[in-house]
Amino acid sequence: GEDVEQSLFLSVREGDSSVINCTYTDSSSTYLYWYKQEPGAGLQLLTYIFSNMDMKQDQRLTVLLNKKDKHLSLRIADTQTGDSAIYFCAESTGTGNQFYFGTGTSLTVIP
Amino acid sequence: DTGVSQDPRHKITKRGQNVTFRCDPISEHNRLYWYRQTLGQGPEFLTYFQNEAQLEKSRLLSDRFSAERPKGSFSTLEIQRTEQGDSAMYLCASSLGSGQYNSPLHFGNGTRLTVT
Repeated sequence: GEDVEQSLFLSVREGDSSVINCTYTDSSSTYLYWYKQEPGAGLQLLTYIFSNMDMKQDQRLTVLLNKKDKHLSLRIADTQTGDSAIYFCAESTGTGNQFYFGTGTSLTVIP
Repeated sequence: DTGVSQDPRHKITKRGQNVTFRCDPISEHNRLYWYRQTLGQGPEFLTYFQNEAQLEKSRLLSDRFSAERPKGSFSTLEIQRTEQGDSAMYLCASSLGSGQYNSPLHFGNGTRLTVT
């Protein structure tokens, strides 16, 4: 599969902004996604961005895409304790049929 | 839209036994995917269906694994002669796709398999 890399851990204080980063290798990626996984549960789709966009905002979430550097980030404004979870970056390939996931970033929000 | 449902949520089995998991996708979704997730890792692709046709299988899917989607609706994943290394979370996801277009994947809550 394609390589999608993320840092493993991030810790922030409640009310601060969190920024989770992801790099990918497939230049033919069409969509890039952010998913959230809470303990014992499946992955919940948070947001996604088409590869010809460079930013997307959805309430507290802002996605930035630097296609030249193959770098994707997810910013969570006013982070809450309920945001503590593992966040996965994913890409779908040019054929649209395959999705590749990073190893996940564990976000801990300190009250 | 009741989401993707998987059954059972947890399965404990002894090495060498066969197990079968079921996935019911979102009803209007024609594509169904199976992934495996081990602790500290992201989901790894196993196989996917478009309607009833199994279009792709990962090299991770050994001969002991078989998946079916007989009527293009629910799917089953069977593991024969389970091994301890099969212990993982098995995730099902569905999407609406045509050609190169694919809507985002929607996941079920997974089946956690423990092989003792």
